[in-house]
Amino acid sequence: DTAVSQTPKYLVTQMGNDKSIKCEQNLGHDTMYWYKQDSKKFLKIMFSYNNKELIINETVPNRFSPKSPDKAHLNLHINSLELGDSAVYFCASSRDRDSYNEQFFGPGTRLTVL
Amino acid sequence: AQSVAQPEDQVNVAEGNPLTVKCTYSVSGNPYLFWYVQYPNRGLQFLLKYITGDNLVKGSYGFEAEFNKSQTSFHLKKPSALVSDSALYFCAVRDGANFNKFYFGSGTKLNVKP
Repeated sequence: DTAVSQTPKYLVTQMGNDKSIKCEQNLGHDTMYWYKQDSKKFLKIMFSYNNKELIINETVPNRFSPKSPDKAHLNLHINSLELGDSAVYFCASSRDRDSYNEQFFGPGTRLTVL
Repeated sequence: AQSVAQPEDQVNVAEGNPLTVKCTYSVSGNPYLFWYVQYPNRGLQFLLKYITGDNLVKGSYGFEAEFNKSQTSFHLKKPSALVSDSALYFCAVRDGANFNKFYFGSGTKLNVKP
């Protein structure tokens, strides 16, 4: 069984469109994250939720809006897509918000904005 | 500035030889240190972590890492490299005094040649 899953795996869209990426974890974890990995493989955290509460909100354009309907799901909605949004987006989860817990990553969603 | 540095973009070793992937860090509180591995077109996988205690930590697939407080380093090592170890390796640090602050290094590509 997949621990952290994301859909879709690939997303190709035009500039200006709105799109969503979904993430689900079946590990029973309390905390979930969204990361962006650029073409040079740099990994940067975007958001984190703990039990549906936003706890980390890095400097990200407000076109990006996370939503956590329950602690097993964390979705990412992106408005007015721009070329620079092209990247691989990873969802991750950890047992709770404590600093010493490792994270479990999903397989990634490759977003290409044309 | 708080951060993680992986000074080598790429490390090349021959199969059967020992390998080292370097990582140095800078945080204001106690560091919680992690290594992750990313295979092509996959999400990151947790390898090992240092929280407290013995400076030498052992992880998955025969990897180990040594925490050195004076040198603020957490180098990843393996006594005998396998071709299948070829992947992208990320060092990460969380600030034990502030769970909101954590950083990933830029990644090191490990190439193990037969």
